[in-house]
Amino acid sequence: DVKVTQSSRYLVKRTGEKVFLECVQDMDHENMFWYRQDPGLGLRLIYFSYDVKMKEKGDIPEGYSVSREKKERFSLILESASTNQTSMYLCASSTPGQGRNEQFFGPGTRLTVL
Amino acid sequence: GESVGLHLPTLSVQEGDNSIINCAYSNSASDYFIWYKQESGKGPQFIIDIRSNMDKRQGQRVTVLLNKTVKHLSLQIAATQPGDSAVYFCAVSAGGSNYKLTFGKGTLLTVNP
Repeated sequence: DVKVTQSSRYLVKRTGEKVFLECVQDMDHENMFWYRQDPGLGLRLIYFSYDVKMKEKGDIPEGYSVSREKKERFSLILESASTNQTSMYLCASSTPGQGRNEQFFGPGTRLTVL
Repeated sequence: GESVGLHLPTLSVQEGDNSIINCAYSNSASDYFIWYKQESGKGPQFIIDIRSNMDKRQGQRVTVLLNKTVKHLSLQIAATQPGDSAVYFCAVSAGGSNYKLTFGKGTLLTVNP
């Protein structure tokens, strides 16, 4: 089975701190994604990566950056955390081909910025 | 771009009843559709998918129906159980080299014993 793991389930940070969220997948997937999930807004794509060192902005990239130095690992960085970045962050991975774009999700990191 | 809407944010059913959760999408070029289940405190889990060359697909106790004419997608859960209580949402892709998914906002299904 595909396994996507995220470094923390819960995280509490202070405004202005630099925050790193790590995601690792073990199925050699090319594509990796970071979403945030907020009540009433659903899943919104922050960034995605389709290959090592490649990244593309999603729908809400402002205030975030990403890093993909290895195929299995995709990091989300909050350069200077703000209270409006309090949210559930979900990482996902997928592999292209055969017309299926199923994404496999990690358990999520609930980030609180005080 | 694609937008995905949902007809009902919440649905409450009795144990043993059938549940139907609906989704509408906007892009007629969409060709791949997924239903996810998300239990409280967990990440979304794949339930079932369907490609646009089909209009129905069945899994274990679940059926997905696709109506491309009206751009509507539904998930049917047979003999709903308390363990089915979760948020369900659909996701839509335009396929091809576009590996992005657009997600609906979700329906909270509550199963009453």
